[in-house]
Amino acid sequence: EDKVVQSPLSLVVHEGDTVTLNCSYEVTNFRSLLWYKQEKKAPTFLFMLTSSGIEKKSGRLSSILDKKELFSILNITATQTGDSAIYLCAVEAGGRGSTLGRLYFGRGTQLTVWP
Amino acid sequence: EAQVTQNPRYLITVTGKKLTVTCSQNMNHEYMSWYRQDPGLGLRQIYYSMNVEVTDKGDVPEGYKVSRKEKRNFPLILESPSPNQTSLYFCASSKYPPETQYFGPGTRLLVL
Repeated sequence: EDKVVQSPLSLVVHEGDTVTLNCSYEVTNFRSLLWYKQEKKAPTFLFMLTSSGIEKKSGRLSSILDKKELFSILNITATQTGDSAIYLCAVEAGGRGSTLGRLYFGRGTQLTVWP
Repeated sequence: EAQVTQNPRYLITVTGKKLTVTCSQNMNHEYMSWYRQDPGLGLRQIYYSMNVEVTDKGDVPEGYKVSRKEKRNFPLILESPSPNQTSLYFCASSKYPPETQYFGPGTRLLVL
């Protein structure tokens, strides 16, 4: 049973479009939610979110977390072909009675941006 | 240069022949983790370690062993590899919490 569900699994857009990637989760003792970008190699870190309602922003990318509804979105505005990648969402669970450092990944969203 | 190194990068082996994939980091990170990545399944955590001599199971630990005798090294051992362990393996490290995890380049394993 997937604890982290990403949608859509695949998305094709044209340069300049704005996209929203979704990540919902159901884990015990949530600690943080992480977004990664993976091109044809190892994943690279984008954002870490721990508090609801606080937007993290980096250039054309932004992300926000809703801890009440248990989801996060990653927005990319004015997409470019270089944004083509797999975007991975992960949730760290742990805390009292649970082991820290346990990470659950979603299956990823494959984003393709056409020129 | 801060980095995570994995060896070998590519490996073809046969069922049952024990193998070890090494992982080393030079950033003095406490947290290290192994993942496997299969098409359509995203990353799945195999084992992770919060510090020396502390390891815990992730999603898919069956068929794998790890050890953390030194802070910088976290080898992944397949005692008796099987074809369903054919996959792309990543090692990663970070300070805790695992925010900016640094990933190694990956090891592509084929078990015949």
